[in-house]
This record gives sequence, structure tokens and C-alpha cells, in this order.
Amino acid sequence: AQSVAQPEDQVNVAEGNPLTVKCTYSVSGNPYLFWYVQYPNRGLQFLLKYITGDNLVKGSYGFEAEFNKSQTSFHLKKPSALVSDSALYFCAVRGAYYGNNRLAFGKGNQVVVIP
Amino acid sequence: DAGVIQSPRHEVTEMGQEVTLRCKPISGHDYLFWYRQTMMRGLELLIYFNNNVPIDDSGMPEDRFSAKMPNASFSTLKIQPSEPRDSAVYFCASSFNLAGRGRYNEQFFGPGTRLTVL
Repeated sequence: AQSVAQPEDQVNVAEGNPLTVKCTYSVSGNPYLFWYVQYPNRGLQFLLKYITGDNLVKGSYGFEAEFNKSQTSFHLKKPSALVSDSALYFCAVRGAYYGNNRLAFGKGNQVVVIP
Repeated sequence: DAGVIQSPRHEVTEMGQEVTLRCKPISGHDYLFWYRQTMMRGLELLIYFNNNVPIDDSGMPEDRFSAKMPNASFSTLKIQPSEPRDSAVYFCASSFNLAGRGRYNEQFFGPGTRLTVL
């Protein structure tokens, strides 16, 4: 089984402050981890992924995420939040075993950046 | 690239009617996924195809739901008969299998179809 937990329903942050969206995962074996963002009335857009290698992954729009195997976490971060970053953020995991093409998504975190 | 195309964007129907949702994946992509998003259940995978063949339909809620992919550029999700609890946003997504490492690749989502069953 594979699953993702995003513990906070909403994250409020002031514009210009650092933004962190938390994600922990559960999977058999090694994980492939993804972050997506969803703007109102739009589909999900890919931000970044961790497959292997460097634990710090850089993605679109200045976002980055750090893979921590011991804590089974993959938190999304941005050093300085913009009002335009206000959206719904989804973490997803896929177990790295043959034949597995299913992504398990978290419930999503609403990020509100306050001007 | 136009991205994943879904139609219609909005559908309002009455209980008992047949509903057909359509999806055109990104050209060259060989995986196609259908998801349903609701406030209560979040994002759920309904079914996915590889090279037009259904691989995993374990997420399809019941026999009222069916999905087809007659060719590489078109897929449908049909609900017959529809019920109010089917009201949701339905997303189609596609991805490609690079050198057999398809599970590495991110999925590209369409804009979704918002279905309302009265």
C-alpha cells in the first residue's frame, strides 16, 4: 500500500516570508515523490519530483523540496512566497516497484499568501 | 503543445441520464489516467490505460462507470445511469514511458470536467 499525509488543511504565510508545505509518505520500498499545484478551476500542474540522487530537488517557480528517508518526508519549500503562490498543493507518492503506475495523492493543502 | 484536452468543461444533467466525458492525451504519451476529485474523498484514481489497454480499473466505483480508449488520441469515461453522488470534477491525465521507466515520469493533467447530477 502507498499513501501520503498532508497534515495541515491550510497554510497561511505573509508575502515575502518562507513557505513550507509538509508531506509524509508511506510506501513499500523506495519512493518516487511528486508535488503538484492546482489553481482554481484548473487541472494539476507538475512542480517537481524526487526519483533518486540529491535529496534536495529544485522545481518550477522557485519551489524546492527535500527528501528525508529517515523521516519519510518530502516537504515543499519556497524561500519567499508570492501572492500568486496561493493555490492548492498536492503531494503524491508511487512505490518504486515494477508494474506500479499508480500515484497516491494526499488530500491537498490550501496555501494562502497574505499581501 | 495543446496539453491534455477534456470536453465538456462543464456538464449538468439529471439523475438517470447517460454522461460521456472525453479526453485527448498529449501526442506521444502512452499512459492515460482518469481521476475524480471531490471535497470529501480528494483525488481518486479511477482507471488507467497503457497503449490503449486498460491496466488497472480497481478504482472504478461500480458497473455504472465504464471507460474506453479506442485509439492513442482519444478516451471516454461514461456513466450510465448517472446519480447525484457522481457529482465531481473528473480529470484526465497522460504521461509517457521513457525507455521503460514510465513510473518515473510525471503526469500531465487536463483542465477537468465539472459534472453536476441533479
